[in-house]
Amino acid sequence: EPEVTQTPSHQVTQMGQEVILRCVPISNHLYFYWYRQILGQKVEFLVSFYNNEISEKSEIFDDQFSVERPDGSNFTLKIRSTKLEDSAMYFCASRRGDRGTEAFFGQGTRLTVV
Amino acid sequence: RKEVEQDPGPFNVPEGATVAFNCTYSNSASQSFFWYRQDCRKEPKLLMSVYSSGNEDGRFTAQLNRASQYISLLIRDSKLSDSATYLCVVNILTGRRALTFGSGTRLQVQP
Repeated sequence: EPEVTQTPSHQVTQMGQEVILRCVPISNHLYFYWYRQILGQKVEFLVSFYNNEISEKSEIFDDQFSVERPDGSNFTLKIRSTKLEDSAMYFCASRRGDRGTEAFFGQGTRLTVV
Repeated sequence: RKEVEQDPGPFNVPEGATVAFNCTYSNSASQSFFWYRQDCRKEPKLLMSVYSSGNEDGRFTAQLNRASQYISLLIRDSKLSDSATYLCVVNILTGRRALTFGSGTRLQVQP
């Protein structure tokens, strides 16, 4: 069964460092997303990506964040200068369409900023 | 008002019990509805989509009431393996089109 894969599974970084979280969405999907979940809190939308550009983003997704699809398969989330409050689980998701279709989630990257 | 609101629980029920979760959503332009399940420290996984006429998948029944902007999930004959957090998820047709998650309702099924 096709699945979304994310690497690394866990990343520890020092405050102020840049991190890149990687995702390989399901191959025939067209819509890609990043969500985050702070421990004990709800799953929060960060950004959606379609047709090689950001289609929408939340207020969390500020100038410190960027996304890229550098080749036909990878989808990355970069945090330029990490803060302690960026510590969370980051989930990548993909969907075939944007209406009525389910989103498939990767297993997540646990980011710990120290 | 929160976009998607759920009772956080926890719901502690014995094996074999029937349990119902409710969810309300604020945006009447919401188009698609889902229940996801999330185990501790894992990714959300689709449990079932919710259709206007209501739908059933084994022990799980989902209902949608568009007039009241209300979604429900019924689990019959609870198993220990049903213990998880159940997330109500809504896809809004206008504005933000990405999936919007409720905070989740935690279920603990006890032997």
